[in-house]
Amino acid sequence: ETGVTQTPRHLVMGMTNKKSLKCEQHLGHNAMYWYKQSAKKPLELMFVYNFKEQTENNSVPSRFSPECPNSSHLFLHLHTLQPEDSALYLCASSQHMNTEAFFGQGTRLTVV
Amino acid sequence: GIQVEQSPPDLILQEGANSTLRCNFSDSVNNLQWFHQNPWGQLINLFYIPSGTKQNGRLSATTVATERYSLLYISSSQTTDSGVYFCAVDLYSSASKIIFGSGTRLSIRP
Repeated sequence: ETGVTQTPRHLVMGMTNKKSLKCEQHLGHNAMYWYKQSAKKPLELMFVYNFKEQTENNSVPSRFSPECPNSSHLFLHLHTLQPEDSALYLCASSQHMNTEAFFGQGTRLTVV
Repeated sequence: GIQVEQSPPDLILQEGANSTLRCNFSDSVNNLQWFHQNPWGQLINLFYIPSGTKQNGRLSATTVATERYSLLYISSSQTTDSGVYFCAVDLYSSASKIIFGSGTRLSIRP
């Protein structure tokens, strides 16, 4: 248990669906991150939030929409995804930007 | 060019063997972490080690920042050590992005 919780753990969605991934941390951290891990690829940073403000959008398509209502919660809203978006989506948090990061268990997303 | 490179990409060992995993990086480092990803996808923190040497049980790590590499040592391997080991680096040149290496897949045979 790292103190970072992601829900759901598994998600299957159609290309026309809208769904959201949730990440919650109770570590008192100020920075939160979304990463994507596709098969046989390194983890790719998607978004960074620092004190609830987005500081990084790593050229992510607009069908992925992040939301950070407070320092403890981070969402990733999904709509009109493509099959190639199927991947493991990992959330992380750290005390400050780019200090030691702790990861959630991930959401394994399948787009059909 | 490649900024974070891990070797070897795959490693198969018998239980009880020792192993050394390497992470090379292309610039000065702000911080460096080693993670173990278990078969369920969870990334488990092993070391936060921008420089120096740390030990935790059978695992130890050394980062030589001036020579731009870090090593992870696993002694007396157990089958539960199997999985993928990642180093993640925040480089001065990466505009504060943490970059992951492509990982070393370790398989420990009983």
